[in-house]
Amino acid sequence: KAGVTQTPRYLIKTRGQQVTLSCSPISGHRSVSWYQQTPGQGLQFLFEYFSETQRNKGNFPGRFSGRQFSNSRSEMNVSTLELGDSALYLCASSLVQGRTDTQYFGPGTRLTVL
Amino acid sequence: AQKITQTQPGMFVQEKEAVTLDCTYDTSDPSYGLFWYKQPSSGEMIFLIYQGSYDQQNATEGRYSLNFQKARKSANLVISASQLGDSAMYFCAMTLNRDDKIIFGKGTRLHILP
Repeated sequence: KAGVTQTPRYLIKTRGQQVTLSCSPISGHRSVSWYQQTPGQGLQFLFEYFSETQRNKGNFPGRFSGRQFSNSRSEMNVSTLELGDSALYLCASSLVQGRTDTQYFGPGTRLTVL
Repeated sequence: AQKITQTQPGMFVQEKEAVTLDCTYDTSDPSYGLFWYKQPSSGEMIFLIYQGSYDQQNATEGRYSLNFQKARKSANLVISASQLGDSAMYFCAMTLNRDDKIIFGKGTRLHILP
């Protein structure tokens, strides 16, 4: 079974631009979560989507948004990029069945804002 | 508030030795899940092991075992017979329920020496 895939793997943008990142979950997984990883802040939860609905949201400004499609694929958008948005963005998917809800991560998209 | 604490920022261990990575957690919720993830330099987060708060037995997955001490709120990862490929960043994480986000610790960077 294929793992979580994320595209693109690397991205370079300039301040003020916007960016869209894509995540395809493991087949059959219905929940997709997004995380931002920086050296200073570590791993921080952005949001989670389940059945096309945002079910949980972290403490990030409104410039960060996302959506999920009917096939469970998810996109994350960051508008008006700032230098501090440079980070590794990780997507994770889970089955959401039973008490164990392990999240499986993709390889990440490394975003650099110049 | 929920919190994960990893007190070892870095560790150096000789190949083939066993290693214990420390993790303590804080939550008042009786139902939670504890995870360990490995992050090599490539960036991908690799799921290693899961322990549910109601599980009576310590979780094991191959060379990985989780030393779960509920009263002490401790969930240490034990890697037996370490290998060079174990060199990576290791994160302890917690979820409060299947609908909640993952809370990560700051991580421990493990170096296996030949």
